[in-house]
Amino acid sequence: EAEVAQSPRYKITEKSQAVAFWCDPISGHATLYWYRQILGQGPELLVQFQDESVVDDSQLPKDRFSAERLKGVDSTLKIQPAELGDSAMYLCASSFGQGRNEQYFGPGTRLTVT
Amino acid sequence: SQQGEEDPQALSIQEGENATMNCSYKTSINNLQWYRQNSGRGLVHLILIRSNEREKHSGRLRVTLDTSKKSSSLLITASRAADTASYFCATDTGRRALTFGSGTRLQVQP
Repeated sequence: EAEVAQSPRYKITEKSQAVAFWCDPISGHATLYWYRQILGQGPELLVQFQDESVVDDSQLPKDRFSAERLKGVDSTLKIQPAELGDSAMYLCASSFGQGRNEQYFGPGTRLTVT
Repeated sequence: SQQGEEDPQALSIQEGENATMNCSYKTSINNLQWYRQNSGRGLVHLILIRSNEREKHSGRLRVTLDTSKKSSSLLITASRAADTASYFCATDTGRRALTFGSGTRLQVQP
């Protein structure tokens, strides 16, 4: 069964350092999402791509976060510089889009900023 | 901000019992979805119910939707230890990506 791949699974970094996460969605899924999940809460959307275009980044802290999906396939989320409050699980999900929006999630990247 | 709010926040039951969790939301929706998350892992889609549907079944899962009350419930029958997880409702308003609630943590005691 096809899965969403994410790496790394765990990342520990010092504050003010740069960190990057990678996501490879299920083949054929046009829509890709990055979520942040704080322990004990539900996922909150950071950015949504339709193919290579950003369709919603209203909740992305653009002073330090950036995301790209250059060829409309895999995606990278970057934080620079990392802050203590960025410690969370970063989840990537994909869906077919166009009305078929059940989302398939990757295993996530657990980020700890020290 | 999170549109959906699950109730209860935590639930502990014995294996074989039924588990019911509720979700309330604030605005009109196209559909509502339920997801499961095992500890430290990604979410798994369980079931989708459209705004014109009132009830849906999938295996041991039964979901109801009352759009007049802006609420949904998820019933897991004959629970198993493997059902131990967090359960999230997520609403699709058609305007942006899904909005997730804060989840119900279910513990099924063997």
